[in-house]
Amino acid sequence: DIVMTQSPDSLAVSLGERATINCKSSQSVLYSSNNKNYLAWYQQKPGQPPKLLIYWASTRESGVPDRFSGSGSGTDFTLTISSLQAEDVAVYYCQQYYSTPLTTFGPGTKVDIK
Amino acid sequence: EVQLVQSGAEVKKPGESLKISCKGSGYSFTSYWIGWVRQMPGKGLEWMGIIYPGDSDTRYSPSFQGQVTISADKSISTAYLQWSSLKASDTAMYYCAVGLRTDAFDIWGQGTMVTVSS
Repeated sequence: DIVMTQSPDSLAVSLGERATINCKSSQSVLYSSNNKNYLAWYQQKPGQPPKLLIYWASTRESGVPDRFSGSGSGTDFTLTISSLQAEDVAVYYCQQYYSTPLTTFGPGTKVDIK
Repeated sequence: EVQLVQSGAEVKKPGESLKISCKGSGYSFTSYWIGWVRQMPGKGLEWMGIIYPGDSDTRYSPSFQGQVTISADKSISTAYLQWSSLKASDTAMYYCAVGLRTDAFDIWGQGTMVTVSS
């Protein structure tokens, strides 16, 4: 099984400042045949189901603000919120789908306002 | 509109059986894998398993193999998650989800809260 880890567990950022979340997979999630990283990011607000933000490691889902960006390749990935807004307070999860249809999620990172 | 609509909250006693549902609409139900995800109170997302309604091919996370059964009825575009004997530790929110444009989950159900208590 591919194990996903995230860091930090939580972070507090001032409004308008940058938030950076890291995700690491226990093995590469880069498919050499299509050069795609099978890595997604989700946002979950209290009382709501998760919402897909980023897929293929760096492709923003339709309607997701451009302050959200994903980067990385192979085993190391980053979700960046370039200018934190109050509505971005949430828990963020990474997910590998390299072993599709099997998949695993990271443990989550809680983002709060400082 | 593409959506997954889950059945309502359940309160059960330990040892009871339960089957919750997830009805898909607005897309070709038989052509996409539907997954189930557990979220225990205050905890993270855990992938439980997944089914391809077209041929009922089903895969389970090792953590959930033998603990739950995933099924689907393609005639009514509905996937199911069932337990034969619930435990208190099954208390959680359960989500179904599907990936229509990639293998990530771009559509989620609203969740079904299952509470198991004596």
